[in-house]
Formats: sequence, C-alpha cells, structure tokens
Amino acid sequence: SQQGEEDPQALSIQEGENATMNCSYKTSINNLQWYRQNSGRGLVHLILIRSNEREKHSGRLRVTLDTSKKSSSLLITASRAADTASYFCATGSDRGSTLGRLYFGRGTQLTVWP
Amino acid sequence: NAGVTQTPKFQVLKTGQSMTLQCAQDMNHEYMSWYRQDPGMGLRLIHYSVGAGITDQGEVPNGYNVSRSTTEDFPLRLLSAAPSQTSVYFCASSRGQFAGYEQYFGPGTRLTVT
Repeated sequence: SQQGEEDPQALSIQEGENATMNCSYKTSINNLQWYRQNSGRGLVHLILIRSNEREKHSGRLRVTLDTSKKSSSLLITASRAADTASYFCATGSDRGSTLGRLYFGRGTQLTVWP
Repeated sequence: NAGVTQTPKFQVLKTGQSMTLQCAQDMNHEYMSWYRQDPGMGLRLIHYSVGAGITDQGEVPNGYNVSRSTTEDFPLRLLSAAPSQTSVYFCASSRGQFAGYEQYFGPGTRLTVT
C-alpha cells in the first residue's frame, strides 16, 4: 500500500503542551502533506514538504521529513483547545501509473483539554 | 470566493437507487477529485480529473461514474447504490498536480444506503 500510517491513533494532552504526530510510509514519495479535519468538516491543508526538504515551519507547526527512514512528524507547539481535530498525512506518489496522486493515512485524533 | 461546495450535505438512499453528488469550485482549478472517507480507513480516491473532458479512475472506482464538462463542476454519480457505499464523500480541487499542491476540500456529503 502507498498509504501513510499515522502514529499514535489517538493523543490526549493539556493546553499548553506540545503534540507530536508521526507518519510512516513504505514507498518512495515526491511530497508529503499534512491536513487537519475538525469533526464533521472537510479537510484543511496545513503544510506541504517536498522530498528534498528536511524541515518546514508554519506558525506553531513544525514538520520534519526523513526520506531515509520513510517517516515524517508534525509538531504542534503550545497546543490550544481549538487544535482538537484529526490530523492526516498524505503522501504524494512518484510512481509511473500513480504519479502525482495523494494517499491519505488513517489519521491521528488529537484532543486538547483546557 | 465560496471555494469548493458540495450538495447535498446528507442523503439516504435505498439499495439500487441512483443519485448524483454535486461538486463545484470557483477557483478556476484544473485538478479535481472525489474521495470517500470510511471509519478507520482514511480517505480513498474514487475518480479524478485533470481538466475539462479528462477523467480517470482512482483506487476505488467501482460503482461510480464521473464526467467533467466544465472547469467548475465535477459531479459523482452512483449508478446503483449498495450498502457498501455508505460513507462520507469529499470533493477536492487544486491548481496543479495533486501531490504537489494544496488540496481544497468541500464540506462533504454524508451518504447512507439502506
């Protein structure tokens, strides 16, 4: 499968703490994206990291990519209750017949308690 | 800009009925796609389009048809609904090849087939 796998499946923390979610994948990729989904809503794009990048920041978000280990992590610093959502990684295929497609993982459910 | 809109928000069908899920975007995006989201399965690609008149199959195309007569609209047709098609359906668009660009998602259609 070209799907990424997030770990952990669920994460529960207090406001102000940092939250770290991991994504592992099996095939080579050209890009990796992270999305957030609030309950009952569509997905919202957070960040895209290309295969030749190792780290990217956006506000309180930090994403790392290690292509040798086929893994990525999403760090949310100083979490807020409003960060409660499911977080998905999506890997971009670099293979011929599926070139350019996105494959989504099953997600990490993050709960941030006030 | 309304972004990506989907109608209806909710639908209940009986087995064997057909229906069309509507998707429209006002961002002039060439790339559009349909995903289904099932509990514990992440998002799976049903069909996609890289421009008006051009469509192709994704991972789980059976039982669904699409067409793209305009840049703005990308309807998904269920030919003969089955309980296995009970799911939440998301339409997405992007300005370039999926893996390399941010995907804009609609709010979803929750479909139940009895």
